[in-house]
Amino acid sequence: DTGVSQNPRHKITKRGQNVTFRCDPISEHNRLYWYRQTLGQGPEFLTYFQNEAQLEKSRLLSDRFSAERPKGSFSTLEIQRTEQGDSAMYLCASSLVGTGVAFFGQGTRLTVV
Amino acid sequence: KNEVEQSPQNLTAQEGEFITINCSYSVGISALHWLQQHPGGGIVSLFMLSSGKKKHGRLIATINIQEKHSSLHITASHPRDSAVYICAALYRGGAQKLVFGQGTRLTINP
Repeated sequence: DTGVSQNPRHKITKRGQNVTFRCDPISEHNRLYWYRQTLGQGPEFLTYFQNEAQLEKSRLLSDRFSAERPKGSFSTLEIQRTEQGDSAMYLCASSLVGTGVAFFGQGTRLTVV
Repeated sequence: KNEVEQSPQNLTAQEGEFITINCSYSVGISALHWLQQHPGGGIVSLFMLSSGKKKHGRLIATINIQEKHSSLHITASHPRDSAVYICAALYRGGAQKLVFGQGTRLTINP
């Protein structure tokens, strides 16, 4: 148990529907990262927060994607109008600034049908 | 182009064999992670290293900063070592985000 919790673990949705994932980081960690992993590939950076501020977003994060970390604790990642290309594992990681050590959640596997 | 390259992409070996997975990265980093991912998807950090060598049980990780190369070794491999092993570079800069290799799928047959 790494201490980073993601929900749901699996999500199957129809194309065009909206989905929301949640990540609960390790409580004292001030940084939270979202990564996306497609089949057979390593994860790719999507966005990260320091406390409640979203400091960087990848070009992979189209305008259908939005992430929040309202109180600097848990974070949500929403995908609107899902497309089949959004099918992937969405991974959350948290860390303390300056340590470089990231702890990963179990991921949410999204399948868009 | 991915800035972190791993080889091989797939590796099948017999129980007891010595395993080596290689990772190279293209620009200067502050540290390199070796991660293990099981079929369920969760990622576990094995090592974070910025120089030299680290050992934990049957796992050994080395890094050569000058050559921008790291290796993960598994001694006396066992079927339970079967997983995807991923190296990830922690680049200098404020975000401290990881850039991942594509992973090496390791299968150890009994």
